[in-house]
This record gives sequence, structure tokens and C-alpha cells, in this order.
Amino acid sequence: GESVGLHLPTLSVQEGDNSIINCAYSNSASDYFIWYKQESGKGPQFIIDIRSNMDKRQGQRVTVLLNKTVKHLSLQIAATQPGDSAVYFCAEKKGGSEKLVFGKGTKLTVNP
Amino acid sequence: ETGVTQTPRHLVMGMTNKKSLKCEQHLGHNAMYWYKQSAKKPLELMFVYSLEERVENNSVPSRFSPECPNSSHLFLHLHTLQPEDSALYLCASSSLGRYGYTFGSGTRLTVV
Repeated sequence: GESVGLHLPTLSVQEGDNSIINCAYSNSASDYFIWYKQESGKGPQFIIDIRSNMDKRQGQRVTVLLNKTVKHLSLQIAATQPGDSAVYFCAEKKGGSEKLVFGKGTKLTVNP
Repeated sequence: ETGVTQTPRHLVMGMTNKKSLKCEQHLGHNAMYWYKQSAKKPLELMFVYSLEERVENNSVPSRFSPECPNSSHLFLHLHTLQPEDSALYLCASSSLGRYGYTFGSGTRLTVV
């Protein structure tokens, strides 16, 4: 069945370091992937997305990598800041569907 | 503010009460969603409305009743809830064919 999961439930990094958050998915029919950030007391906020015809996409301080061979998605955050502390979710969408399937999330803590 | 507004932000209700959650968006989106977010679980899709028509109901108990009077408003009517229904209820909206969801900040529901 469909499932989207993350390798680590928590990740702790030092301010200024780069962070890598991983996600594994099982549905090879998925054609679109999104990363969301959820801060305490707020709803998930869109960070970056990638279509299955790409393997890398860059935003401001963030990069998403997609490896379809091993069904793996990662989010890289450069020069992590305290404001990056949040729970990060990946989500996938199957081709032909409007529905996003979310993973459990990784809690990122940035230490000063 | 994301453009999706949910009210109330917090709600405490008894198991015999009837209450409603409200969601409003003025982003011009034509699809709206209710998600349930419980601790240590992935976001659970409850209902999907596309062009004001319910297109998905993920085996949600009948004590949850959605209503979508127009493309900008979505309600979740609650009655005779159970303590295990306590969670963060998130509303999201999107434009059909464009896959990123915009989430509201959620209603934190506590059933006592």
C-alpha cells in the first residue's frame, strides 16, 4: 500500500551546520513530492516541491533531492538557523490523484 | 497568515456537546480538505471537497460531519465525540491541477 516514512523521528544539529532530513516512499507511481515545515502551534507550511522528472531542485537555503531508483527523498538545509527548528514532513502524490500522502515527520532541533 | 483561516484556534468540548469548526480561504482555490493530526501519527486525511462536492471520505465516523457551502468555506460539525478524537484539526486548500496545499493553523480540540 501507500506509505511515506522518514528515517529519523528527531534530528539535532548545531547552528550553522547543514541539515539533511530523509524520507522513504514506497509508491513508484508517485509523481510529485513536497516538503512541509510545521512550527509549534502552526499548520504545515510549504517549503519546496519536486516532480518525478527531476532529481534535484534548489530554493533559498534548501535543496530537495529525489532518487527514484531507491525511492528516497531528502531535504537539505544549508547553514541551519534556530528558526529552522520545527517538524518537517514529506508528502507524495500519486499520478492521476489530487491526494497528498504525508509521512510521520522529523523534529529538527537547532542548538545555538 | 497563510490565507487559510481556521476558527476557533482552541476548543474544549464535552462528549455530549455539538460544535463546529470553521475554515475560510480567499486564495481562489477550488478544493478543500480536513486533516486530523494526532501525536506521533502522520496527518490523516478525513474529507476532500473538490468544486464544493465531497469526493472523498476516508472512513471517518459519522460523529464528524463536513459541510462545504461554497468554494471559500468549509465546516466540520462535531457531535458526541470521544476523548480519542482530541487532536489538531487542520484545514487545507488547493487549486485542482496544482498540487501544493495551503494549510490553516488548525483547531486544537480537546474532548473531555
